[in-house]
Amino acid sequence: QKEVEQNSGPLSVPEGAIASLNCTYSDRGSQSFFWYRQYSGKSPELIMFIYSNGDKEDGRFTAQLNKASQYVSLLIRDSQPSDSATYLCAVNTGDSSYKLIFGSGTRLLVRP
Amino acid sequence: NAGVTQTPKFQVLKTGQSMTLQCAQDMNHNSMYWYRQDPGMGLRLIYYSASEGTTDKGEVPNGYNVSRLNKREFSLRLESAAPSQTSVYFCASSDSLGNTEAFFGQGTRLTVV
Repeated sequence: QKEVEQNSGPLSVPEGAIASLNCTYSDRGSQSFFWYRQYSGKSPELIMFIYSNGDKEDGRFTAQLNKASQYVSLLIRDSQPSDSATYLCAVNTGDSSYKLIFGSGTRLLVRP
Repeated sequence: NAGVTQTPKFQVLKTGQSMTLQCAQDMNHNSMYWYRQDPGMGLRLIYYSASEGTTDKGEVPNGYNVSRLNKREFSLRLESAAPSQTSVYFCASSDSLGNTEAFFGQGTRLTVV
């Protein structure tokens, strides 16, 4: 079982809709959770990070963390065609190494 | 504002050849990483360095070696390239291992024929 799981998609939503991206992780000791966006042929770039249970909002983006369910999600409100990209969930391992492990990513397509 | 710089950007190798991918960061970060990205596989951690002088294996270390030359530089070496190592390689750095934002280089597209 992969340590960080994401649905590969593509997730297709119309412009202006809410896009919901999900991620589950296997290590109960994980403490830090990140969402990266990657455009085709480009490097990943950080969208949001979250450390505590609950919601964290930044503009059109909301990250949600539920450690009991080992689940982290990213909501994108008022989706724009420019949001079309692959979204990567990353989690640090709960052992003493704290290395950063990525999921395989979800491709999001926002239709004009 | 260079950030994380990787060289080269593109490389074609023949099976059995060796090469070193270079990575340097100018953000005074303690931790550095090497990932490979294959279609549908996301980013897989090859090796990482929590701080200057330390290196550790990640998820897929076989066939690779690394050197943390100093705080700025972290190189990845392929001793005998194989077609299975055809991939896009990303170097990244962060202030604290696994706990703070990782900044990525522009990637190296490697093809082994």
